[in-house]
Amino acid sequence: EPEVTQTPSHQVTQMGQEVILRCVPISNHLYFYWYRQILGQKVEFLVSFYNNEISEKSEIFDDQFSVERPDGSNFTLKIRSTKLEDSAMYFCASSEAGLGGDTIYFGEGSWLTVV
Amino acid sequence: AQSVTQLGSHVSVSEGALVLLRCNYSSSVPPYLFWYVQYPNQGLQLLLKYTSAATLVKGINGFEAEFKKSETSFHLTKPSAHMSDAAEYFCALTNTGFQKLVFGTGTRLLVSP
Repeated sequence: EPEVTQTPSHQVTQMGQEVILRCVPISNHLYFYWYRQILGQKVEFLVSFYNNEISEKSEIFDDQFSVERPDGSNFTLKIRSTKLEDSAMYFCASSEAGLGGDTIYFGEGSWLTVV
Repeated sequence: AQSVTQLGSHVSVSEGALVLLRCNYSSSVPPYLFWYVQYPNQGLQLLLKYTSAATLVKGINGFEAEFKKSETSFHLTKPSAHMSDAAEYFCALTNTGFQKLVFGTGTRLLVSP
């Protein structure tokens, strides 16, 4: 079964450093997402991406965050200057279309620990 | 505003017992509702979803959920728990107006022998 793959599975970084989390969405999907889950808290939407641009973003997704689809298969989340509170599990996800009832498929997540 | 409430952060059952995980939602427009499961150290896996075709939805691993508009609920059930069902379960919604998922806080299911 097709799946969303994410790398790295775990990354430890120093506060203030830049981090890039990588994702390969399912190949025929057109909509891509990043969600995050701070330990013990809800899974939260960060951003959605379609046709090479951001279609929606949450208030969490401020100027330190950016997303990019650098080629035909990868989708990345960059955190420019990490803070302690950025420590979380980051999930990449994709869906075939952007309709409300479409299934969103999630990757296994990238654990980011900021020290 | 859309929201999802999951009652009970932890639910404990014995193997073979009924599993009932509660989810209530708030939405100003008809919702699409989802249950996802997260096994330890894994990502989110879709169990089932409601998209208005039928109010009783069957999913993977013997789980099902019933959409009750009058109660604004979408509770998840399984007749007989297995040890392998131990995981965290998340209820979530979207609607026609937006694609992003709004999640509940999750319920950790513990299954004892």
